[in-house]
Amino acid sequence: EPEVTQTPSHQVTQMGQEVILRCVPISNHLYFYWYRQILGQKVEFLVSFYNNEISEKSEIFDDQFSVERPDGSNFTLKIRSTKLEDSAMYFCASSLQGSTDTQYFGPGTRLTVL
Amino acid sequence: GQSLEQPSEVTAVEGAIVQINCTYQTSGFYGLSWYQQHDGGAPTFLSYNALDGLEETGRFSSFLSRSDSYGYLLLQELQMKDSASYFCAVMDNYGQNFVFGPGTRLSVLP
Repeated sequence: EPEVTQTPSHQVTQMGQEVILRCVPISNHLYFYWYRQILGQKVEFLVSFYNNEISEKSEIFDDQFSVERPDGSNFTLKIRSTKLEDSAMYFCASSLQGSTDTQYFGPGTRLTVL
Repeated sequence: GQSLEQPSEVTAVEGAIVQINCTYQTSGFYGLSWYQQHDGGAPTFLSYNALDGLEETGRFSSFLSRSDSYGYLLLQELQMKDSASYFCAVMDNYGQNFVFGPGTRLSVLP
């Protein structure tokens, strides 16, 4: 069964450094998402992406964040200058049709900012 | 504004039936989804209701009342492996912004 994959599984970085989290969505899916989950808290929407552009972003997704689909398979989330409060699990998800369609989540990348 | 409410914790025994409620207040509504998340794992889709009524998928059922802004997830014949957090989620803002509830931690006891 096709699945969403994410790398790395765990990323440790120093405050102020840039990190890039990578995702490979399910191959025929057209809608891509990033979420984060701070330990013990709920899942929070960051951004949705369709047709090579951002469809919607939350208040969390400020100028420090950017997303990119650099090729036909990868979907990346970049945090330019990490802060301590960026420490969280970051989930990528994809769906075939968007909006009401089922979103399939990747296993997540645990980001630790020191 | 947008908000979803769920009970924080529910405990039940193996074989029992449990209902997890979710009330929501969002700008725009495109359906209520339910996700299961085991500790350390990713959310996994369980069900989706766009219309009022009950949707059944094996041991799990989900209900929606749009007029009451309310839904629930019903888990039957509970098993130990059902111990997890359960999140309701609403597609908000004309189908682009997915809002999760705070989650309900279900503990299934032997």
